[in-house]
Amino acid sequence: EAQVTQNPRYLITVTGKKLTVTCSQNMNHEYMSWYRQDPGLGLRQIYYSMNVEVTDKGDVPEGYKVSRKEKRNFPLILESPSPNQTSLYFCASSPIGTGMTEAFFGQGTRLTVV
Amino acid sequence: DQQVKQNSPSLSVQEGRISILNCDYTNSMFDYFLWYKKYPAEGPTFLISISSIKDKNEDGRFTVFLNKSAKHLSLHIVPSQPGDSAVYFCAAMDGQNFVFGPGTRLSVLP
Repeated sequence: EAQVTQNPRYLITVTGKKLTVTCSQNMNHEYMSWYRQDPGLGLRQIYYSMNVEVTDKGDVPEGYKVSRKEKRNFPLILESPSPNQTSLYFCASSPIGTGMTEAFFGQGTRLTVV
Repeated sequence: DQQVKQNSPSLSVQEGRISILNCDYTNSMFDYFLWYKKYPAEGPTFLISISSIKDKNEDGRFTVFLNKSAKHLSLHIVPSQPGDSAVYFCAAMDGQNFVFGPGTRLSVLP
């Protein structure tokens, strides 16, 4: 089954404690991206990657890092989380050139930073 | 400043009637527009899209209209069904720049 898998689904952590949210896709998609969803703001793009070892900043990259060492994985790293990073996070993947119409989204990770 | 706006946070429609969800954008470089549907506890799923060279695209019960001069698009669902109750996000693309609107929660009442 084609899918994007995020882990964990729920996470409560404390300010400053490094964390990683994993994202894995099984469709051999080139393009992967991370979004955060906040009330009244919709989904905002954090980082995206067009292929292995190619990453770029989205609209709200501050406080986040990503890596793309393998095609299937695109982890989101918060080196020193802060309460304003409390949000619902989605990972997505799609083939290059499809304009996100063939995008698959993960089920989301709800992060709370206290 | 939001580049993609959905000014109605929520909308209620009777089953069988038409649902019209609106979206406005400010960036004239956007050349591709998409609608996504999101159920609780799930990721968004793609619904329908339209290129800036068209003014209408239809797929079953769903039609998207684009008015480039007004920088406005709308999603029509007819007839609306209870299973259409979800949050609908409008999105716009400019190259790899991909921007979502804040979403509109549609409730279809039986």
